[in-house]
Amino acid sequence: GENVEQHPSTLSVQEGDSAVIKCTYSDSASNYFPWYKQELGKRPQLIIDIRSNVGEKKDQRIAVTLNKTAKHFSLHITETQPEDSAVYFCAASNSYAGGTSYGKLTFGQGTILTVHP
Amino acid sequence: DGGITQSPKYLFRKEGQNVTLSCEQNLNHDAMYWYRQDPGQGLRLIYYSQIVNDFQKGDIAEGYSVSREKKESFPLTVTSAQKNPTAFYLCASESRTGTEQYFGPGTRLTVT
Repeated sequence: GENVEQHPSTLSVQEGDSAVIKCTYSDSASNYFPWYKQELGKRPQLIIDIRSNVGEKKDQRIAVTLNKTAKHFSLHITETQPEDSAVYFCAASNSYAGGTSYGKLTFGQGTILTVHP
Repeated sequence: DGGITQSPKYLFRKEGQNVTLSCEQNLNHDAMYWYRQDPGQGLRLIYYSQIVNDFQKGDIAEGYSVSREKKESFPLTVTSAQKNPTAFYLCASESRTGTEQYFGPGTRLTVT
């Protein structure tokens, strides 16, 4: 089955700095890679995702890059703010088809991001 | 609040007792999932169901059981066979035409 490794496990940055979280996956058939953010005591929520036919995707201060050859993908947060402090999870799936990713996800171990004012 | 609910928020049980966690959604989603969250281990899939009356084991199904008698409901039973049941349990649902799993607020189970 799929195995997703996520690094670092904790990341501390100053407000305004950039933060990068990296994930590697094992199954070359994986074709959908979402990122979830979980604030303290709250449910995980999708913040950005990327399909395997795209190398990079950006949404305001958040971007995700994918390297299929190396089987790794990364989350980039620029101009970090204290409200970015949370646990971030990457995930992988081989279920993307016909415009939907319907199917099971394999998650990484999570990264605790702390943004200091 | 998101259309997917879990109850109760906190649950305490004695070792050796079975306990059932509730998950209900009114989003008309076809698929439902149960995850376990432990510190430093991310979210691990316990069971999932993509259609009523059918479900599949995830990566850590031992000691757990589920049922999917209604589209809206996917209860998880933590049996006495589960060696380390204390954890945070998250339920999620997904539309067949969507691209996102929506999570419930979670149930924190403590077994002593």
